[in-house]
Amino acid sequence: KQEVTQIPAALSVPEGENLVLNCSFTDSAIYNLQWFRQDPGKGLTSLLLIQSSQREQTSGRLNASLDKSSGRSTLYIAASQPGDSATYLCAATETSYDKVIFGPGTSLSVIP
Amino acid sequence: NAGVTQTPKFQVLKTGQSMTLQCAQDMNHEYMSWYRQDPGMGLRLIHYSVGAGITDQGEVPNGYNVSRSTTEDFPLRLLSAAPSQTSVYFCASSYSSRVQPQHFGDGTRLSIL
Repeated sequence: KQEVTQIPAALSVPEGENLVLNCSFTDSAIYNLQWFRQDPGKGLTSLLLIQSSQREQTSGRLNASLDKSSGRSTLYIAASQPGDSATYLCAATETSYDKVIFGPGTSLSVIP
Repeated sequence: NAGVTQTPKFQVLKTGQSMTLQCAQDMNHEYMSWYRQDPGMGLRLIHYSVGAGITDQGEVPNGYNVSRSTTEDFPLRLLSAAPSQTSVYFCASSYSSRVQPQHFGDGTRLSIL
């Protein structure tokens, strides 16, 4: 059974800092690893999707990496801004049943 | 393009009542799924569908039923509501979970007294 965990559960940083969010998964048989953003009271917005054959994906100040062999993914946010404050969730798509399994999320607060 | 539309946005039920949460998408997506989100637990998969006529169980299917008679609609039914089903419910869709990120609705906030 796939289990996805995220560390830390919460993170507070001053504006301008670079930061890394971590995601771990127990079963390396995945099609992809996705990162989402969720603002309070809202649905999820897709940030990046990394296919299992890829090592990383970049979008603007965001860079996500994937190491299937170790069961880890990281989301790097450069030059953080107060508008980056949100909960960030990762999700792994299993190859066995096409299920998309989410981690519990990291709540990020960027202090001006 | 409306994306993924969930109705209602809010609902209060009494224990034992039944209801259907509606989810519709206009993007011709094959893959649709239902999640519940509880504080500190992320999203947990309830049921999902890889196409019309095909559904399967997720991580927490007990107490919920689904059907997929059309590509566009994927309703979630609570058969006999229990306080433990108080949660925020999200519907999502994509062309394929293998290659595309999911698009999420805005959620249904459900309280069961």
